[in-house]
Parts: sequence; structure tokens; C-alpha cells
Amino acid sequence: GIQVEQSPPDLILQEGANSTLRCNFSDSVNNLQWFHQNPWGQLINLFYIPSGTKQNGRLSATTVATERYSLLYISSSQTTDSGVYFCAVEHVGSARQLTFGSGTQLTVLP
Amino acid sequence: ETGVTQTPRHLVMGMTNKKSLKCEQHLGHNAMYWYKQSAKKPLELMFVYSLEERVENNSVPSRFSPECPNSSHLFLHLHTLQPEDSALYLCASSQDRNEQFFGPGTRLTVL
Repeated sequence: GIQVEQSPPDLILQEGANSTLRCNFSDSVNNLQWFHQNPWGQLINLFYIPSGTKQNGRLSATTVATERYSLLYISSSQTTDSGVYFCAVEHVGSARQLTFGSGTQLTVLP
Repeated sequence: ETGVTQTPRHLVMGMTNKKSLKCEQHLGHNAMYWYKQSAKKPLELMFVYSLEERVENNSVPSRFSPECPNSSHLFLHLHTLQPEDSALYLCASSQDRNEQFFGPGTRLTVL
């Protein structure tokens, strides 16, 4: 099956700092999603981004499908950004099956 | 209710109990999913239901039994579970093969 690797596994930032989270995948994908999991376990959709660049407020994401990676940018981080960020991909030929990475645990300090 | 809802939010059960998890989506989607999230592990797809097909992860034990009576409701029937089945169980829905939206999850503890 497809492999999804996220880096870094853990990241500690001071409030106001910027960060970049990376997702590498081992094969072609139909789609790619970024999620934020809050402390209560809820997965919140950030981006649906099989290719290209999207922006939503302080967050933006870029997927370069031909090079098999995606980046999530967080600017001017806030304490409420803390949590786990997951990348998930749907492998070409799979039946709607999302394969998740192990996540990046982000802690933003006040 | 909006989005994807799951009940119960927390469940504690013994190994000999039978219980069911319920998921309901209010988004008009035509596909629903069960995922398992164990501590220190990535989310793992268990089952997919859509108009065209049912897909299951072959590694899911038979003590987990899904039921999808219509496109808005999804159940996960549990029986004779093991302590290692304790996890967060997440339901999701999508329209066709587009973006998946998740419910808040059921945190299951098996004693």
C-alpha cells in the first residue's frame, strides 16, 4: 500500500511564529486532505488539495503531486492552533480509502 | 443537527457485552466510513459504504460488524471485544470520492 510520512513529528513554537509541516507520499494519489485534530478528538477539515495551492486565513497549503509531497503553512501561530495535524491521501486505484500519516503534534506556547 | 454526528461519545464495555455505535450524516452525502484511531497509531480505515460498493479492511476482526441501512446512517456493532480494541472510533462521510468530513468520534474502553 501507499506510505505517508509526515514531518516533523513534534513541533513547539512560540505564539506568533510561522511553521511549515510536510507530507510525503510514496505513490500517485487521487486526492489529499489536511486535518487538524483538536484535544477532544474532532478532526477538522483544513484543506482538500490534490494539487496546487490554497489559502484560508493564516493557513495555506501546497501540493506538488508530481513530486509526491504537500506542505501546510501556518503563519502567526496562536495557542488555539495547538493539536495534531494529519495529512491523508487517497491512493490511485483505491476505493475511497484515505491513508493517514502519523501526524505532527504542534504545541504553541503563549 | 448539522454535519456528522456520533453516539455515544463515550462507551465503557466488558468483553462479553454487545453494543452498537451510531453515526448519522446530515450533509446529503452518498458514502460513509468507519475509522479506528488507537493511541500512537495513524487512523486506520475499517469499512466504506457507498451506493456502488462496500469495502472492508481485511485486517478488521469479525467482532466488528458494520450496518448501513441507508445513505444517512451507519452503525458499528460490537461483540466479544478485547481490551486492545479500546480506541477512538470515527465516522466520516463524503459525496462520491470527494472531501471526507468526520464526526466527533466515540471513545471506547473495553475492560
